[in-house]
Amino acid sequence: ELKVEQNPLFLSMQEGKNYTIYCNYSTTSDRLYWYRQDPGKSLESLFVLLSNGAVKQEGRLMASLDTKARLSTLHITAAVHDLSATYFCAVKYNDMRFGAGTRLTVKP
Amino acid sequence: KAGVTQTPRYLIKTRGQQVTLSCSPISGHRSVSWYQQTPGQGLQFLFEYFSETQRNKGNFPGRFSGRQFSNSRSEMNVSTLELGDSALYLCASSSYDRDSFEAFFGQGTRLTVV
Repeated sequence: ELKVEQNPLFLSMQEGKNYTIYCNYSTTSDRLYWYRQDPGKSLESLFVLLSNGAVKQEGRLMASLDTKARLSTLHITAAVHDLSATYFCAVKYNDMRFGAGTRLTVKP
Repeated sequence: KAGVTQTPRYLIKTRGQQVTLSCSPISGHRSVSWYQQTPGQGLQFLFEYFSETQRNKGNFPGRFSGRQFSNSRSEMNVSTLELGDSALYLCASSSYDRDSFEAFFGQGTRLTVV
């Protein structure tokens, strides 16, 4: 059974700092997604990673994929308050399996 | 381009009743998936439809069912509602073209069972 594990589950950061969220998955997959969810809102697509070594960047967020290690990372650079949200990774196998989410709080 | 539209946005139902939720995907998308989100269980896959056929089904009881119409709109139905069915129900639409693998989510339907 495909398992997707994110860590940390809770992350409190100060503005201007860098941090990385990790997403490990248990079965080979060629599609990994990162989503953002604000409280009470839906999921916003951030990145789709399709191949080993893929790296995508948007603003202060950068995602990478290592299919051999079955690991994706979401790196946050110089965090700002607006990045406070819950971040999910998801792996497409037969269905899309989500991690538990990382609740990020960025403090001034 | 219009996004994924889910209706209704909010619902309050009584235990034992049934409910039908609707999802209209992005124009041109033929795949619709449904998810249940709860604080305790997180995001769980319900089912996926592609061109009116159910392709995958998650580990939910038979009270949860769905269908997809020829215009790609999808409905999910929950019969004999239980308190534990209270959740945010999200649908996602995808084109699954060779170069487009993104899944776009609707705003969700928040179901409260009392």
